[in-house]
Amino acid sequence: EDQVTQSPEALRLQEGESSSLNCSYTVSGLRGLFWYRQDPGKGPEFLFTLYSAGEEKEKERLKATLTKKESFLHITAPKPEDSATYLCAVQKSSASKIIFGSGTRLSIRP
Amino acid sequence: ETGVTQSPTHLIKTRGQQVTLRCSSQSGHNTVSWYQQALGQGPQFIFQYYREEENGRGNFPPRFSGLQFPNYSSELNVNALELDDSALYLCASSLDVNSGANVLTFGAGSRLTVL
Repeated sequence: EDQVTQSPEALRLQEGESSSLNCSYTVSGLRGLFWYRQDPGKGPEFLFTLYSAGEEKEKERLKATLTKKESFLHITAPKPEDSATYLCAVQKSSASKIIFGSGTRLSIRP
Repeated sequence: ETGVTQSPTHLIKTRGQQVTLRCSSQSGHNTVSWYQQALGQGPQFIFQYYREEENGRGNFPPRFSGLQFPNYSSELNVNALELDDSALYLCASSLDVNSGANVLTFGAGSRLTVL
C-alpha cells in the first residue's frame, strides 16, 4: 500500500539550532515528491518538488534532499518565523492523486 | 494572477444535513483536487476533476460528490453529514494533469463543523 510517514510528529528548537525532518515513503514508480509548509488556519504552501534520488533543492534556510526511500528537509539556523507544520507528499507515475503524510509541527523558540 | 479562493470559510451543520463547498481555481489551472484535513492530520485525497470529469478518487463514500464547471471552478457536495465529516476541506488547483508532477496551489479551506 502506498504510504508516506513523517517523523518526528513535533519538534521544538531554539532559534539558530539546525535540525532535519524525515519523510519516508513506499510507492512504486515515483513521479515526484513534494514539501509544503502549512501555517495555522491556512492551506498548505508549496516549497519544493524532487523527482529522482540524489536531487537537492534549497530555499533560504531550507534544503530538501531525496533518496530512493526517503526525503529530508534540513533547516539551518531557523528563525521563529519558520514555525509551521511541514508536510511531505508523493505522486505515483501512474496516478493523479497526491498522498500526504501527517506532517511535522515545528516550533522555533526565540 | 489570482490564487485559489474557497467559500464559505466556516460553516456549522447538523447530522444528516447536506453541504456544498465552492472553489475558484487559480488562473491558468484546469485541474482541481479536493482534500479533507482532520485536526492534527495531513490532507486526505477525496477526488480530482480534470476538464469537468472525475479523474481519480480516494477512499471516500459516494455521499461525497463533486462537479467542475467550464471555467474550471468546482463544487464539493457532502450528503447525509456525519460527525466525523467535521474537518477542514481544502481545494487545490494545478496545471494540466498530464504535465508532470502536479504542484498544487491550495486555497485557505472551508472549516466544516457537524453537530
